Amino acid sequence: EPEVTQTPSHQVTQMGQEVILRCVPISNHLYFYWYRQILGQKVEFLVSFYNNEISEKSEIFDDQFSVERPDGSNFTLKIRSTKLEDSAMYFCASRWQGDLAYEQYFGPGTRLTVT
Amino acid sequence: AQRVTQPEKLLSVFKGAPVELKCNYSYSGSPELFWYVQYSRQRLQLLLRHISRESIKGFTADLNKGETSFHLKKPFAQEEDSAMYYCALTHNNDMRFGAGTRLTVKP
Repeated sequence: EPEVTQTPSHQVTQMGQEVILRCVPISNHLYFYWYRQILGQKVEFLVSFYNNEISEKSEIFDDQFSVERPDGSNFTLKIRSTKLEDSAMYFCASRWQGDLAYEQYFGPGTRLTVT
Repeated sequence: AQRVTQPEKLLSVFKGAPVELKCNYSYSGSPELFWYVQYSRQRLQLLLRHISRESIKGFTADLNKGETSFHLKKPFAQEEDSAMYYCALTHNNDMRFGAGTRLTVKP
C-alpha cells in the first residue's frame, strides 16, 4: 500500500539556521498538508496546498515558513530562520480528492530539534 | 472559530470493559468529523469518519449535532486498542485536531 514518506526522520539545527523538511506524498494525491506537534501538545495545522498554491494556512504559518512542490513528487516545508520554539514533530499529509470527507494520509513525521 | 475539545488526556480501562472517548466541537457550519489513531511508534491513521457511519475495529462514533459531540465508543475494549486517539474536524481544506486522549487498556 502506498505511503507518505518524510525525510529526515530527525533533524538537529542551530537557532537562526534555515531548515527544509521533505515529504513525498502518495503519487496520485492532489492535496498536501503540513502539521506540527510540539512535545506534549496537540497536532496543529500549518498549511494546505493544492494546484501549486497555498489554499489555507494557520496563524502559526508566518513569513518564516514557506512550502513548495519543486517537482512532481516532493513537497517541502522551509523554515527560514529557526527559533527554539520551532522544535516539534512535523507531519506531512496528502489527500486524493477534493471532498473534505476523504481521508488524509500521514507521513511518519520529522522530529526537528533547534538548539 | 472551529475548535475540537477532548476533555480527557488519559483514559484507562480493563480489557473487556466498554470505553468512550469524548469529543466536542464548536463550528458554525456542517462539519466533517474524524477519529484518528496513533499506535505506539506508528503514524497517525484514520480510524473512522462520521460521514460513512461505519464501525472499524469495533469502534463507532455518532455525530450529535444538538450536543455538538462526536464521541468514540467501543463496547468491549481490547489491549491492542491502547493508543492515542485524536478527534479532528475539517473545514475549507484545513484540519483541526483535539488534544488527544491516551487510552490504556489493562489486561
